[in-house]
Amino acid sequence: GENVEQHPSTLSVQEGDSAVIKCTYSDSASNYFPWYKQELGKRPQLIIDIRSNVGEKKDQRIAVTLNKTAKHFSLHITETQPEDSAVYFCAASQPAKTSYDKVIFGPGTSLSVIP
Amino acid sequence: EAQVTQNPRYLITVTGKKLTVTCSQNMNHEYMSWYRQDPGLGLRQIYYSMNVEVTDKGDVPEGYKVSRKEKRNFPLILESPSPNQTSLYFCASSLGPGTASYGYTFGSGTRLTVV
Repeated sequence: GENVEQHPSTLSVQEGDSAVIKCTYSDSASNYFPWYKQELGKRPQLIIDIRSNVGEKKDQRIAVTLNKTAKHFSLHITETQPEDSAVYFCAASQPAKTSYDKVIFGPGTSLSVIP
Repeated sequence: EAQVTQNPRYLITVTGKKLTVTCSQNMNHEYMSWYRQDPGLGLRQIYYSMNVEVTDKGDVPEGYKVSRKEKRNFPLILESPSPNQTSLYFCASSLGPGTASYGYTFGSGTRLTVV
């Protein structure tokens, strides 16, 4: 089955610097890759996603890149701010063998932005 | 407001005492799922439902039951809770049909402690 690895597990950056979180997946059939942000004590929230027919997607200060050949995808946050501090989860979704797409989450990256 | 509502937010119970965690969504989503979140293990799927009266096991279904009698509700039932079910639980829904590849909307979470 699908396995999603995520690195690093913790990341500290100075405010204003960039942060990069990398994920790898094992099943080449996976075709949808969402990223979730979970602030302390709150629910995960979808912040950006990318599908396998796209190589890069941007939304203001965040961007996601996908390399299907290497089976990895990355989250890039530029000009980090203290409110970016959170746990970030990547996920991979593969087309259903039945009629359901299975979503596998990475273990998470705890990002701290130091003012 | 589009949302997934979980209750209760916090619950302390004793081993063996049956409990139900409720989940309701108002977005007319067909797909709903339960996850548990444990430190270092990320989000693991317990059960999911593609539509009314259609449910199936996720990766960690042992000790749990679900039902989907109405489209909006997807309760999680622990018939005989044990201490290893102490965890943070999230209900999530996604635009269907039959796919989670539109991103999840998560509920606010239920922190369960079994003593």
